[in-house]
Amino acid sequence: SQQGEEDPQALSIQEGENATMNCSYKTSINNLQWYRQNSGRGLVHLILIRSNEREKHSGRLRVTLDTSKKSSSLLITASRAADTASYFCATEGEYRQFYFGTGTSLTVIP
Amino acid sequence: EAGVAQSPRYKIIEKRQSVAFWCNPISGHATLYWYQQILGQGPKLLIQFQNNGVVDDSQLPKDRFSAERLKGVDSTLKIQPAKLEDSAVYLCASSLGAHQNNSPLHFGNGTRLTVT
Repeated sequence: SQQGEEDPQALSIQEGENATMNCSYKTSINNLQWYRQNSGRGLVHLILIRSNEREKHSGRLRVTLDTSKKSSSLLITASRAADTASYFCATEGEYRQFYFGTGTSLTVIP
Repeated sequence: EAGVAQSPRYKIIEKRQSVAFWCNPISGHATLYWYQQILGQGPKLLIQFQNNGVVDDSQLPKDRFSAERLKGVDSTLKIQPAKLEDSAVYLCASSLGAHQNNSPLHFGNGTRLTVT
């Protein structure tokens, strides 16, 4: 399977704390993307990091990529209750197929 | 811009019945995807279209699932006959074409299928 894996599977933090979730994948990639899914909704794109990049920032999001270890991490700083959602990493295949990981369920307690 | 539209939002059927889902992608998006998301899991790619051609259907259970995108715009995913294990959310996504590297997927809100 080309699907990645996120850990932890579930994470519960207090509002204002930072949340870190990790993604491991199996194949070589062009880029890696992170998506958020609120309950009962579709996935929303958060951030993309190319295979030749090591770190990228967008607002309160920070993504790192280590292609030698085939892993990525997503850091959400100063978390808010509205950040409560599931987070998925996705790798892109040769013909723009996107393969999603198993997801991390984040709960931010107000 | 209007998002990806999917219908119906919910569907309950009995096993061995058939069901169809409809998706209208974002205007101008050449690539369309159908994903199956079982509760508590990540989305699993079923089929990918580039315009009206199939790029990847390697994970589509072809004995019971079929999909088409006849005019390169709307798409329909069908299950016939349904099994209990088909209970899931079926997500449609679209993106700019195969030559638009690094463009993200845009998802609809999905159709939640319950097979009893």
